[in-house]
Amino acid sequence: SYELTQPPSVSVSPGQTAVITCSGDYLANAYICWYQQKSGQSPLLVIFQDTKRPSGIPERFSGSKSRNTATLTISGTQALDEADYYCQAWDSSDPRVLFGGGTKLTVL
Amino acid sequence: QMQLVESGGGVVQPGGSLRLSCAASGFTFSTFGMNWVRQAPGKGLEWVAFIRYNGKDKDYADSVKGRFTISRDNSKNTLYLEMNRLQPEDTAVYFCAKVSIKYSSSPDLDFWGQGTLVIVSS
Repeated sequence: SYELTQPPSVSVSPGQTAVITCSGDYLANAYICWYQQKSGQSPLLVIFQDTKRPSGIPERFSGSKSRNTATLTISGTQALDEADYYCQAWDSSDPRVLFGGGTKLTVL
Repeated sequence: QMQLVESGGGVVQPGGSLRLSCAASGFTFSTFGMNWVRQAPGKGLEWVAFIRYNGKDKDYADSVKGRFTISRDNSKNTLYLEMNRLQPEDTAVYFCAKVSIKYSSSPDLDFWGQGTLVIVSS
């Protein structure tokens, strides 16, 4: 079965750049989304279609993809960015939607 | 403003059934695909099911196929999830979530409800 692999945790100092990766065998042909979930809250879409940012999401959030790895980059990380981040992949040829295991971002 | 309000969660015995509802408002419900996503306590997100805007196409995760049924009533702006033969591993918060683009199947989920907790336990 397909799997998406994320690092369980990433730590960053305020103002630095946080990089969260998501890897999987079928990512090359899949659309990638990234969600932020703060403690006790519902997920929030921060990146869709690999690189696009929904309105209202700060420019410091960006997404990229290269072959089988997608990356969420948070530039100038702020304390309020501390959350769990999940990648999601979907290939139109396969109706299943897959989430990565999530990455806990800690802003030290 | 946009709202998704889930209801119907609770405690149920293994093998039992439950029906979840998600009441939508603040957008044209009949033009957007909808999804159910669940999250077991302390765990990550797991996609459960998708239904097209017109209700004519449905997809399910392998873990729930044959036991869960997604449906919608566009006249009532409501999404449903009928859950049968529930097992302890189905214990989770169940979120309904809206697809971002009208008439699209792409699961860019731009708005989520607060979730309803389902506990399967004897």
